[in-house]
Amino acid sequence: KAGVTQTPRYLIKTRGQQVTLSCSPISGHRSVSWYQQTPGQGLQFLFEYFSETQRNKGNFPGRFSGRQFSNSRSEMNVSTLELGDSALYLCASSDRLRTDYNSPLHFGNGTRLTVT
Amino acid sequence: GQQLNQSPQSMFIQEGEDVSMNCTSSSIFNTWLWYKQDPGEGPVLLIALYKAGELTSNGRLTAQFGTTRKDSFLNISASIPSDVGIYFCAVPGGETGRRALTFGSGTRLQVQP
Repeated sequence: KAGVTQTPRYLIKTRGQQVTLSCSPISGHRSVSWYQQTPGQGLQFLFEYFSETQRNKGNFPGRFSGRQFSNSRSEMNVSTLELGDSALYLCASSDRLRTDYNSPLHFGNGTRLTVT
Repeated sequence: GQQLNQSPQSMFIQEGEDVSMNCTSSSIFNTWLWYKQDPGEGPVLLIALYKAGELTSNGRLTAQFGTTRKDSFLNISASIPSDVGIYFCAVPGGETGRRALTFGSGTRLQVQP
């Protein structure tokens, strides 16, 4: 089975711009989560989607948004980029059910976003 | 907010040595997870623990779910160069709900051949 695929791997944007990151989960996985990784804050949960619905959201401003399509692929969008948004954005998929939380997450290799 | 205290922050060891790291919390959790992140890649699940007192092995890795349910330990025996990376403990739950993972700050391991 192919793993979680994230595109692009690297991205450089300017302050004020917006960006869209893409994630293709493992085939059959319906849950997709997004995490932000920075040297200062570590790995932090952004949001989770299951069956095209956002199930959970972390403590991030509304500039961070996402969506999931009927084929379980997901995108996240960051608008009005700030320097502090520079980070590795990781997507993870799981075969967890709507009411399950213990199924392991399988992470992609991330998109490294640099905001200048 | 919810925090996992992971230590040590970094380790530099010789090949063949054993390694121990741990994670503690002020809250009780029913699941403890250990992930490893290689440079340029996403975290990979190493071991999942679901029961207090549980001891689980995965090759040279052994992890334990503390009996208080507030801590967990990871040991690596006879380290090799490919053990290099960052090791994270994680738990489902915290401020952002049970379906979100809360991660420790990581232990960066370097192995001298």
